[in-house]
Amino acid sequence: GAVVSQHPSWVICKSGTSVKIECRSLDFQATTMFWYRQFPKQSLMLMATSNEGSKATYEQGVEKDKFLINHASLTLSTLTVTSAHPEDSSFYICSARGLAPGEQYFGPGTRLTVT
Amino acid sequence: DAKTTQPTSMDCAEGRAANLPCNHSTISGNEYVYWYRQIHSQGPQYIIHGLKNNETNEMASLIITEDRKSSTLILPHATLRDTAVYYCIVGKAAGNKLTFGGGTRVLVKP
Repeated sequence: GAVVSQHPSWVICKSGTSVKIECRSLDFQATTMFWYRQFPKQSLMLMATSNEGSKATYEQGVEKDKFLINHASLTLSTLTVTSAHPEDSSFYICSARGLAPGEQYFGPGTRLTVT
Repeated sequence: DAKTTQPTSMDCAEGRAANLPCNHSTISGNEYVYWYRQIHSQGPQYIIHGLKNNETNEMASLIITEDRKSSTLILPHATLRDTAVYYCIVGKAAGNKLTFGGGTRVLVKP
């Protein structure tokens, strides 16, 4: 099956710094990728839809200037958390759209801790 | 997209079938029913999806009622590795956006 990887799997950074998370489709081309955030004991919340070669579409309430998304190639999308604060500590998960309707292949997630 | 209602949690015995219900009474004609699961601290995993007909694959079976207002995911022989949060999601195919609700926390016990 299709594999999506994320790097890093976990990261600790200091408040005020920026962190970049990579999402790669390893054996297929992904024209559309999605970024989610998940706080402890909560469900996944869609942050944005990333389309290759165009600007990302952000969900209501998600600051586009804080969460920068770049989908420069058919196999790579990146999420940069700028000027991170402790409240940005969360589990960030990406997914790539599959061939079947509604099918998405999810990455293993990146746990971000901001101190 | 239509909202879904699932029980918060359920236990099932290892080796027995696990039946996970989902209500989606406001589903519209062009919306699919999708099931994903998330094992602790991992990304979600696709299980199965359907529109009107019942579906079966190597992981599970999906039974959709005739009026499409509810569905049941069946894990035929639950194993300890099936312990996870199971999400029932309803959505249109176009755009493929998935809105995750609370899900059902399934604990498979030996």
